[in-house]
Amino acid sequence: DAKTTQPPSMDCAEGRAANLPCNHSTISGNEYVYWYRQIHSQGPQYIIHGLKNNETNEMASLIITEDRKSSTLILPHATLRDTAVYYCIVKPYNFNKFYFGSGTKLNVKP
Amino acid sequence: SAVISQKPSRDICQRGTSLTIQCQVDSQVTMMFWYRQQPGQSLTLIATANQGSEATYESGFVIDKFPISRPNLTFSTLTVSNMSPEDSSIYLCSGIQGGYGYTFGSGTRLTVV
Repeated sequence: DAKTTQPPSMDCAEGRAANLPCNHSTISGNEYVYWYRQIHSQGPQYIIHGLKNNETNEMASLIITEDRKSSTLILPHATLRDTAVYYCIVKPYNFNKFYFGSGTKLNVKP
Repeated sequence: SAVISQKPSRDICQRGTSLTIQCQVDSQVTMMFWYRQQPGQSLTLIATANQGSEATYESGFVIDKFPISRPNLTFSTLTVSNMSPEDSSIYLCSGIQGGYGYTFGSGTRLTVV
């Protein structure tokens, strides 16, 4: 079962930072936060994951609040190609099934 | 990470028929999964494809409707049986290679008429 809450849609201007929030107020101590995105007509793509520390990779940054009840995915310089549905998922590291929630449709506009 | 190929990429089928979707991974994966994505909806997990044994189905999905095979660590099939228009969806397979990340195929877009 999905344990996360995300806004259904967001807009972002091209070149600006896109900040996508996710609420996971019932997260357990052994559950990680994962982010995937699905560009239209493609399979979901892994973006980033974290437990409690902030994480950064070449695609994005993940900011997790100290109480771990929410997180924010940051795309530092959004491009039109970042238009996609972004999914926030929580699961234990050693549990292999991903259950997707409804996600956030990010619209990057020129 | 692994690259997953699915075929067919799309198909239009008559109601009452069956379609088998193939999923090929370019390297061994520890686990494989099948998902359904109905039009405008998120992904729903159908089952875990177990190598050499029967698949493990999620609530609401049964083997008679969605038989799954996984003969080895790089290949799996999903059959959508006795199709109706309600089965029109995108079907995706995914695999995990230890670690943390799922890799997904690009999906099979099925239309039942």
